[in-house]
Amino acid sequence: GQQLNQSPQSMFIQEGEDVSMNCTSSSIFNTWLWYKQDPGEGPVLLIALYKAGELTSNGRLTAQFGITRKDSFLNISASIPSDVGIYFCAGQLRDSNYQLIWGAGTKLIIKP
Amino acid sequence: GAVVSQHPSRVICKSGTSVKIECRSLDFQATTMFWYRQFPKQSLMLMATSNEGSKATYEQGVEKDKFLINHASLTLSTLTVTSAHPEDSSFYICSAGQTAGIGYTFGSGTRLTVV
Repeated sequence: GQQLNQSPQSMFIQEGEDVSMNCTSSSIFNTWLWYKQDPGEGPVLLIALYKAGELTSNGRLTAQFGITRKDSFLNISASIPSDVGIYFCAGQLRDSNYQLIWGAGTKLIIKP
Repeated sequence: GAVVSQHPSRVICKSGTSVKIECRSLDFQATTMFWYRQFPKQSLMLMATSNEGSKATYEQGVEKDKFLINHASLTLSTLTVTSAHPEDSSFYICSAGQTAGIGYTFGSGTRLTVV
């Protein structure tokens, strides 16, 4: 099925470092969402973006909806051990029944 | 906030038997619920879209006779894996959408193992 281009696939960082990941698509999206999934759990919504150009923060997390509606990024500042997990972007196409298109995920690993 | 309860969280069943997974929206009405399947180290794969009071819409390649979906009320959708086989072993996750605005709350998932 259709999928977003999410990168990087994985990241190895030191605690305290900033993290950046992004998703791109050739399609125009109505909504961009960023989720985090811990092992054996369902995804948990981190940030939802509804307007082109929108920049939204949630604690140490910041995400932006690209002005072209075809991309989004997520930044995590000053990473801590509990940030470890897999981060997924998801987009909702215009005129769809809430159906989401998913990125392949970015696995975040924090080096001790 | 919106809460979606999914159970069981883990189930082991014998090959050939059927397994039912429940997805409930606890504090909101969900006209639309989604069922996903996730293989290890992969993203979520949408199986079907479940609409309250009507037949589910299945994604291409998903057998509707094998994965029975019932969305009988605004707060409950069920996925029944019929005549399960070992290749059906996977992580199944539901999510719910709200009637007003957009809600993308996920259940905690069900780990199905068919032996």
